Amino acid sequence: SYVLTQPPSVSVAPGQTARITCGGNNIGSKSVHWYQQKPGQAPVLVVYDDSDRPSGIPERFSGSNSGNTATLTISRVEAGDEADYYCQVWDSSSEWVFGGGTKMTV
Amino acid sequence: QITLKESGPTLVKPTQTLTLTCTFSGFSLSTSGVAVGWIRQPPGRALEWLSLIYWDDDKRYSPSLKTRLTITKDTSKNQVVLTMTNMDPVDTATYYCAHLYSTSFDPWGQGTLVTVSS
Repeated sequence: SYVLTQPPSVSVAPGQTARITCGGNNIGSKSVHWYQQKPGQAPVLVVYDDSDRPSGIPERFSGSNSGNTATLTISRVEAGDEADYYCQVWDSSSEWVFGGGTKMTV
Repeated sequence: QITLKESGPTLVKPTQTLTLTCTFSGFSLSTSGVAVGWIRQPPGRALEWLSLIYWDDDKRYSPSLKTRLTITKDTSKNQVVLTMTNMDPVDTATYYCAHLYSTSFDPWGQGTLVTVSS
């Protein structure tokens, strides 16, 4: 089965840049999606297909993917960005796979 | 605007079968390429994909749970139903349904918390 590995937590000061990684075997060959989940709420897609943003998602959210690591970058972090973030891919053997999630503290 | 909403029991007993319904609007499951998936999240833990059904009735299941899951659709009612047999306390979770977008899920329903306890 395909496994996605995320750091359990990251901490960033307001106004700084946060980078959340998602590791997987040759993940660069797959499309990576990122979700933001605030307490008590459903996940929200913030980046899809490695680096595209759904409508309504601020440009501060961006993504990249290469080799064995995908990265979600949040620029000019705000207090309202504090949330859990999950990466997700589709794999031919495991189908839809989620990472373990990263709690971002601002 | 696409919306989805999950419904079903909030409490089930061990060994019972769980039946959850996802009622959606803003799209049709008879349209080529459309799909709806189910994802769950135990309290304080990560998301876990369970199942997905396509417009053409192609059904996909998590390899680890496939023996316990059945997904069906009722296109006329705009509903997708997930059943999970032999429920156990470890299945206590918030269960979400979501619209498939590319290979991602967007948007999601609000989720429904299901507790498994005697």
